[in-house]
Amino acid sequence: ILNVEQSPQSLHVQEGDSTNFTCSFPSSNFYALHWYRWETAKSPEALFVMTLNGDEKKKGRISATLNTKEGYSYLYIKGSQPEDSATYLCAFGRSDDKIIFGKGTRLHILP
Amino acid sequence: KAGVTQTPRYLIKTRGQQVTLSCSPISGHRSVSWYQQTPGQGLQFLFEYFSETQRNKGNFPGRFSGRQFSNSRSEMNVSTLELGDSALYLCASRPGNNSPLHFGNGTRLTVT
Repeated sequence: ILNVEQSPQSLHVQEGDSTNFTCSFPSSNFYALHWYRWETAKSPEALFVMTLNGDEKKKGRISATLNTKEGYSYLYIKGSQPEDSATYLCAFGRSDDKIIFGKGTRLHILP
Repeated sequence: KAGVTQTPRYLIKTRGQQVTLSCSPISGHRSVSWYQQTPGQGLQFLFEYFSETQRNKGNFPGRFSGRQFSNSRSEMNVSTLELGDSALYLCASRPGNNSPLHFGNGTRLTVT
């Protein structure tokens, strides 16, 4: 059984602070690692898709890194803003094209 | 470009009934995946279709089935509904294997 683990499950961060969270995935049959942001009452929105070990991607204040050998990815948010409040989902893309999601990290930004 | 469209948005059914959910992908996207989301469980993979063929299947009972048409639209069917099937069902499309998933707004199914 494939497990994609995300930690922490929930996080409260003061506005303006930076934060990061983790996604762990199996290192075998790796094809791609996805990050999504899911805001309440909306549908999940893609942030990044990473395929190569050592990949780093950035979108505004959000960035992500990838280590396929040890099976983990970090998502970083710099200078958190209220609009960053959401659930952040990590998904492991396997070589057989199946995409398996973790349970997410729920981020709350405190004003 | 229109996004992924799912219909209906909400459904209420009783135990034992069957239900069909519909998903129209973004134009040009040939892959359509279905996920079930329940509280505490995250997004559980149901199946993926590509060019009218089921490419992958998750660990759900045979009561859950799907199909894809030549225009890439997909339907998901659940027969003999159980209370535990109450969930948000999300459909997502993508153009290629290294591409991100584009999600619809989901169908909220309630089984009473």
